Amino acid sequence: SQKIEQNSEALNIQEGKTATLTCNYTNYSPAYLQWYRQDPGRGPVFLLLIRENEKEKRKERLKVTFDTTLKQSLFHITASQPADSATYLCALLARTGANNLFFGTGTRLTVIP
Amino acid sequence: EAGVAQSPRYKIIEKRQSVAFWCNPISGHATLYWYQQILGQGPKLLIQFQNNGVVDDSQLPKDRFSAERLKGVDSTLKIQPAKLEDSAVYLCASSLGLAGRNEQFFGPGTRLTVL
Repeated sequence: SQKIEQNSEALNIQEGKTATLTCNYTNYSPAYLQWYRQDPGRGPVFLLLIRENEKEKRKERLKVTFDTTLKQSLFHITASQPADSATYLCALLARTGANNLFFGTGTRLTVIP
Repeated sequence: EAGVAQSPRYKIIEKRQSVAFWCNPISGHATLYWYQQILGQGPKLLIQFQNNGVVDDSQLPKDRFSAERLKGVDSTLKIQPAKLEDSAVYLCASSLGLAGRNEQFFGPGTRLTVL
C-alpha cells in the first residue's frame, strides 16, 4: 500500500542547532514534493517545492533534499529558533494517477531556547 | 493580498444533523481544494475543483458529503447526515494552477465537533 511516513515522534532540539526532519514514501513515484509548516489552529503554509529531477533546494535557513533512490526527502532548518516550533508536513504529487497532493502525518518540532 | 477565507471557524453539532462550510479562495485562483484533517494526521483531500468543474472527488464520501463551486469562485462543503467520525478540521485551499506544481494557500479551517 502507499505510505508517506514522517518522524513519528516529536522532535526537540536546542536553539541554534540544525533540525533535520525526514519524509519517507512507499509505492509512490512523486513528480513533486512539497513541505508545509502548520501552527496550532491554523492552516498549513507552503515552504518549499522540489522536483523529482532536483537533488536539493534552499531558501534562507531552509534546505530540502530529494533522493528518489532512497525514496526520501530531508528537510533541514539551520540555526533554529524558538519561532520555528511548529508541525512540518511533507506532501507529494505522484507522477501518474490522481492529480492531487498526498500529505504525511507531520512532525512536531520544538526548538528549546 | 487577502488570504483564503473560511466560515464558520468552529461548529458543534449532534450526529445525524447537517452542516455546511463556506470558502472564499484567493482572487484569481482557478483551483480550489477541500481537505479533512483529523487530529494527529495530515490533511486528506476530499475534492478538487478547477474553476467550477470537479477534477477529483475520489475520496469524498458521496453518500453524505457534497460540494459545489458556484461561478468558479466561492465553494460550500456540506455533510448530511454527520457521523461521529466526521469530527475534524475542514481546510479549504486554493492555487493558481494544478496541485503539486503550485503552492497551495490554505484557509484557517473549520473545526467540526460531532457529538
